[in-house]
Amino acid sequence: DAGVIQSPRHEVTEMGQEVTLRCKPISGHNSLFWYRQTMMRGLELLIYFNNNVPIDDSGMPEDRFSAKMPNASFSTLKIQPSEPRDSAVYFCASSPSLERENADTQYFGPGTRLTVL
Amino acid sequence: TQLLEQSPQFLSIQEGENLTVYCNSSSVFSSLQWYRQEPGEGPVLLVTVVTGGEVKKLKRLTFQFGDARKDSSLHITAAQPGDTGLYLCAGARGSSNTGKLIFGQGTTLQVKP
Repeated sequence: DAGVIQSPRHEVTEMGQEVTLRCKPISGHNSLFWYRQTMMRGLELLIYFNNNVPIDDSGMPEDRFSAKMPNASFSTLKIQPSEPRDSAVYFCASSPSLERENADTQYFGPGTRLTVL
Repeated sequence: TQLLEQSPQFLSIQEGENLTVYCNSSSVFSSLQWYRQEPGEGPVLLVTVVTGGEVKKLKRLTFQFGDARKDSSLHITAAQPGDTGLYLCAGARGSSNTGKLIFGQGTTLQVKP
């Protein structure tokens, strides 16, 4: 299995620009999570989906952030407009079906390091 | 509000020393996981503990879940430079298994040769 795939691995952009981060979860996994990691705040859950449906977006910082999951194999996290304080590493993780014993295990992608100048 | 508090936040030790990392909360968790993260990579699951008082061993790593399922510890015996990394605890809550985890702030471990 290829694991969770994220693109791009690195993104440098200027303040005010739109940024789109992409994630392909592990095939067969029904849950997908977007996290943001910074030195100051650690790993924060932004939003998660079950069966392509957003379940909890209470961690999304503000309206500038949006996430979609149009199908079981693809999700995007968009920031528009981006600001310097959005600079962080963004991780996508997926989890198996809730009917399986190890449903809570999350498998993380390599992350996207975002720098907003 | 940080529901899971990890301590210490940073730890720098010599190869061969023992160490313990703590993960504490006032909340009860249905299960608790420990992840290890290396620079430039995502966290990778080490272990899941489910039962209060449970102890699991993974080579030189020993994980314990508190009796009340509110806290956990990770003990490393004879640390090696390869153990260097960020250690994260994460708890699952609630009767409805949504898969959502709450992560601690992490403990950065440096093992010097």
